Amino acid sequence: DADVTQTPRNRITKTGKRIMLECSQTKGHDRMYWYRQDPGLGLRLIYYSFDVKDINKGEISDGYSVSRQAQAKFSLSLESAIPNQTALYFCATSGVVNQPQHFGDGTRLSIL
Amino acid sequence: SQQGEEDPQALSIQEGENATMNCSYKTSINNLQWYRQNSGRGLVHLILIRSNEREKHSGRLRVTLDTSKKSSSLLITASRAADTASYFCASRTGANSKLTFGKGITLSVRP
Repeated sequence: DADVTQTPRNRITKTGKRIMLECSQTKGHDRMYWYRQDPGLGLRLIYYSFDVKDINKGEISDGYSVSRQAQAKFSLSLESAIPNQTALYFCATSGVVNQPQHFGDGTRLSIL
Repeated sequence: SQQGEEDPQALSIQEGENATMNCSYKTSINNLQWYRQNSGRGLVHLILIRSNEREKHSGRLRVTLDTSKKSSSLLITASRAADTASYFCASRTGANSKLTFGKGITLSVRP
C-alpha cells in the first residue's frame, strides 16, 4: 500500500464548483504539503502544515483552502473552481527538519 | 521566482552513457535535494546534500555541490532506459524553510 494516498486520482469538473482533494498518509509524519504542478513551471507550494494545529500559506494560496483533520489527513479545497486551476496536484509529507519529502501520485484536475 | 533552475531542460542519451544535469540557485542554502518523477507518478527523493558537503554518492548517482557558484550537478552513470524520467532539484534555505523546486529536466535514455 502507498505511504501517501491521494484521492481522487483524476477529476473533471465545471467552473464554479467546489472541489475537495484528499490526502492521507501512513508514514507518521507531522509535516504535510500541497503542491501544484504545471507544465514548464515545476512544483509550486500552495499550503503546508507542520502539525495538526498549524496551517501556513505557500506561494500560491489564493483560491485554495486546506484542512488538517488529523496527523494523517490533509485536504485541499477549491471553493469555486476556475479553469486556470487545471493542473496536477501533489500532496507530500516529511518528518523532522531537513528530511526529504514523500509524495503521493497526484490528482489530475481539469476544470472546464 | 524559482530558487532552483535546472540545465539543460531536456537531455537525450543512449543507454550506457552518462547523464549530467545541472542546477543553479540564487540564495544561500541549508541543503539541496534531487528528486525523480516518472510519467504519471509523484516525485521520489533521490539524494540530499548539505551545504557543508561537496559530493555524495548513492549507487549510480553522484551529486556535487559548489556553494561558491551556487550550483549542483547530478550525474547518472551507465544510464538505463528505466532512468527515463524528469529530474528536479529542490533547495532549502533554512532549517524550517520550505523546499523550492526547479522546473525540472526531462531525461530520455534510448535503448
